[in-house]
Amino acid sequence: KQEVTQIPAALSVPEGENLVLNCSFTDSAIYNLQWFRQDPGKGLTSLLLIQSSQREQTSGRLNASLDKSSGRSTLYIAASQPGDSATYLCAVGVSWGKFQFGAGTQVVVTP
Amino acid sequence: DVKVTQSSRYLVKRTGEKVFLECVQDMDHENMFWYRQDPGLGLRLIYFSYDVKMKEKGDIPEGYSVSREKKERFSLILESASTNQTSMYLCASSSLFKGTLYEQYFGPGTRLTVT
Repeated sequence: KQEVTQIPAALSVPEGENLVLNCSFTDSAIYNLQWFRQDPGKGLTSLLLIQSSQREQTSGRLNASLDKSSGRSTLYIAASQPGDSATYLCAVGVSWGKFQFGAGTQVVVTP
Repeated sequence: DVKVTQSSRYLVKRTGEKVFLECVQDMDHENMFWYRQDPGLGLRLIYFSYDVKMKEKGDIPEGYSVSREKKERFSLILESASTNQTSMYLCASSSLFKGTLYEQYFGPGTRLTVT
């Protein structure tokens, strides 16, 4: 069974620093990998989707990379802002369209 | 703008009641999902459906059933609610087309409390 791990579980950075969030998975046979943001008590908001044939995706200040051979994805958020404070989750697309989620990294950006 | 809606944001039910959670998507997606999210346990898949009237058990189906009579609607049913089913329930949808799996979209969630 696919195992998805996100380390660290929590992270605090001062405003303006770049954020680096990690996601590891055990089985390289994936359809895709998706990064989400979740604010307290809310649903998940999709940030970026990387298909298995791609190496990275970019959207504004966000950049996500995918290395299937090593079972890793990294989400970079440039020049962090207090509004970036949230929990970030990664999800790996597995067989028949199902997704396996990591436990998330809780991020606090201090002014 | 894509949209997944859930029938209630907050729900309080008594032990033993039958509970229906409704989810509707307007993106013509084939796949729909029900998850529950608990502190320290993350998101866990309860059931998923890849077509009308088709369903597959997820990781924690015990105590739940689902119904998908129309493509846009996926219902989660708690046959006899118990206190250990108090949780945040999240519905999602996505498209799997010609071998390409597209992104998953989530609803706002239903916070269910069983007393």
